[in-house]
Amino acid sequence: DMKVTQMPRYLIKRMGENVLLECGQDMSHETMYWYRQDPGLGLQLIYISYDVDSNSEGDIPKGYRVSRKKREHFSLILDSAKTNQTSVYFCASSLGGTSAETLYFGSGTRLTVL
Amino acid sequence: GEQVEQLPSSLIVQEGASVLINCSYTDSASVYFPWYKQEPGKRLQFIIDIRSNMERKQTQRLTLLFDKKTKHLSLHITATQPGDSAIYFCSATDSGTYQRFGTGTKLQVVP
Repeated sequence: DMKVTQMPRYLIKRMGENVLLECGQDMSHETMYWYRQDPGLGLQLIYISYDVDSNSEGDIPKGYRVSRKKREHFSLILDSAKTNQTSVYFCASSLGGTSAETLYFGSGTRLTVL
Repeated sequence: GEQVEQLPSSLIVQEGASVLINCSYTDSASVYFPWYKQEPGKRLQFIIDIRSNMERKQTQRLTLLFDKKTKHLSLHITATQPGDSAIYFCSATDSGTYQRFGTGTKLQVVP
């Protein structure tokens, strides 16, 4: 069963704390993504990873960094979280080579920064 | 960069009715337009797509129309059911960058 798995599902942090969101996929997909979803704004791309250690900024990378050391695993890191980073974060993956293909999404992580 | 807009932002229909969700984009280089459905509290799931060399695509109760000249898409859902209640997202990409999403259309189907 093809799957994108995100951990944790819910997370509450205080402003200034570090946050690690993890994502895994079992489809050997080359490309992985981190999006955030906010009401009225749809999904906005934070970072894209084309393969191990091959990462690029999306539309809203400020305040975030990523790590991809294995093809099946992609992490999103918030160093010193801010309240405006409260959001739902979705990881996604695609087979690779082009963006003109289906994205497979994880179930999301709802992050609250107090 | 590409900007994607959807209208309406929300709608409520009675079970059995048909609905139309509109999507427009700005970048004439966009060639691939997938749509995703997000049921409450769930992940986004792909439902239908169309490429710029097509005008129409149909799968079961979904029909997707594409007008390259006006940069406009329409998703038509017929015979709606309560299980169709979800947020529907339109997306666009030029195949070289990444998919950009619209703000979503929240559909509620009531008995």
